[in-house]
Amino acid sequence: QMQLQESGPGLVKPSETLSLTCTVSGGSITNYYWAWIRQPPGKGLEWIGNIYFSGNTNYNPSLKSRVTMSMDTSKNQFSLKLSSVTASDTAVYYCAMVATIAPPNSWFDLWGQGILVTVSS
Amino acid sequence: DIVMTQSPDSLAVSLGERATINCKSSRSLLYNSNKRNYLAWYQQKPGQPPKVLIYWASTRESGVSDRFSGSGSGTDFTLTISSLQAEDVAVYYCQQYYSTLYTFGQGTKLEI
Repeated sequence: QMQLQESGPGLVKPSETLSLTCTVSGGSITNYYWAWIRQPPGKGLEWIGNIYFSGNTNYNPSLKSRVTMSMDTSKNQFSLKLSSVTASDTAVYYCAMVATIAPPNSWFDLWGQGILVTVSS
Repeated sequence: DIVMTQSPDSLAVSLGERATINCKSSRSLLYNSNKRNYLAWYQQKPGQPPKVLIYWASTRESGVSDRFSGSGSGTDFTLTISSLQAEDVAVYYCQQYYSTLYTFGQGTKLEI
């Protein structure tokens, strides 16, 4: 049973870079598409971007200039960096797996528990 | 971007009654080559990540109660909960994956 777990700082200062890692257990990170999705407190879901194990990425244009996603297959992890953060980047950040049927045009069928990141000085 | 709009924003239904949530997309989610609608429904309970209920607009995820059903095609979709149970209280989201600029509806809060 594959599981995902987000980790990283829960507090980031404005203008700094948010850095999160998703550790995949119970299976290999290879041959799958992985995603980051966020949810501001009390609000809806926003897709941030995808990464394939080959390193190919696809970012939400609204965040593209600030987002970098990477993968470490040796550690079975993938990561998110979001630069120049402001209070509007405060959210629960989820890592997720794109379903293996017809990726990347598939739904998200496995999610981490999420990590709340607050942007504040 | 494909804009997903859900209605209503919130819904109160009595136990045992039917709940219906609608989702409209700004462009068709029907892929002509395979006749599939690229739409999923999720349930999110407080403090938990979303859980997929339905994909391909009407295919129930393994382990999901058959009280949940999805219908619709093209731009108009519906999630129906046939007989509301207390554990169904949650926020429900639709999501399109026709475009890999994935987008979600704003959510519908279902209460008893």
